[in-house]
Amino acid sequence: QKEVEQDPGPLSVPEGAIVSLNCTYSNSAFQYFMWYRQYSRKGPELLMYTYSSGNKEDGRFTAQVDKSSKYISLFIRDSQPSDSATYLCAMSFPNDYKLSFGAGTTVTVRA
Amino acid sequence: DSGVTQTPKHLITATGQRVTLRCSPRSGDLSVYWYQQSLDQGLQFLIQYYNGEERAKGNILERFSAQQFPDLHSELNLSSLELGDSALYFCASSVVNVGGEQFFGPGTRLTVL
Repeated sequence: QKEVEQDPGPLSVPEGAIVSLNCTYSNSAFQYFMWYRQYSRKGPELLMYTYSSGNKEDGRFTAQVDKSSKYISLFIRDSQPSDSATYLCAMSFPNDYKLSFGAGTTVTVRA
Repeated sequence: DSGVTQTPKHLITATGQRVTLRCSPRSGDLSVYWYQQSLDQGLQFLIQYYNGEERAKGNILERFSAQQFPDLHSELNLSSLELGDSALYFCASSVVNVGGEQFFGPGTRLTVL
């Protein structure tokens, strides 16, 4: 079993729809949770960074962390074609260095 | 633009050769991380340096090595290259040693023929 599980998709939605992405993880010691967006052949871009449980909102993006279920989510409201990319979840332990990544979900927003 | 720079963008070389990838972190960031991204393995952590010192190793082969210089730029050296080393290599940087947000560079695409 992988440490971080993420459905690779692909996911295709019409413009303006809500995109819902999620990851599950096996180690309850993870404390820091991140979502990255990666366009084809580019470097991952940090979208959201959260510590422990709860919700965080930034513009059209909302990140949720449910530590009791070991489940994190990213919601993209009013999706745009420019949101078409691969979305990677990542997490790390406290007092640790490395990020453990999910496989990434490929999202296409149709105009 | 994350502020992290990597050179070269692309590198094509032959098996058995040695290459050096270079990374400059964001201004003020002391930590540098190297990651490898391949289709079958996803993003894998290789090694971390903090203020010139090696702090952690991940899934890094013995043929690979890295260092961080006094000006905080870092180099990843890959030797005795094999076809399977073809991948995207990313550098990331952060201000702190642990638990911090990591910002990724644009990557170096390595092709081993």
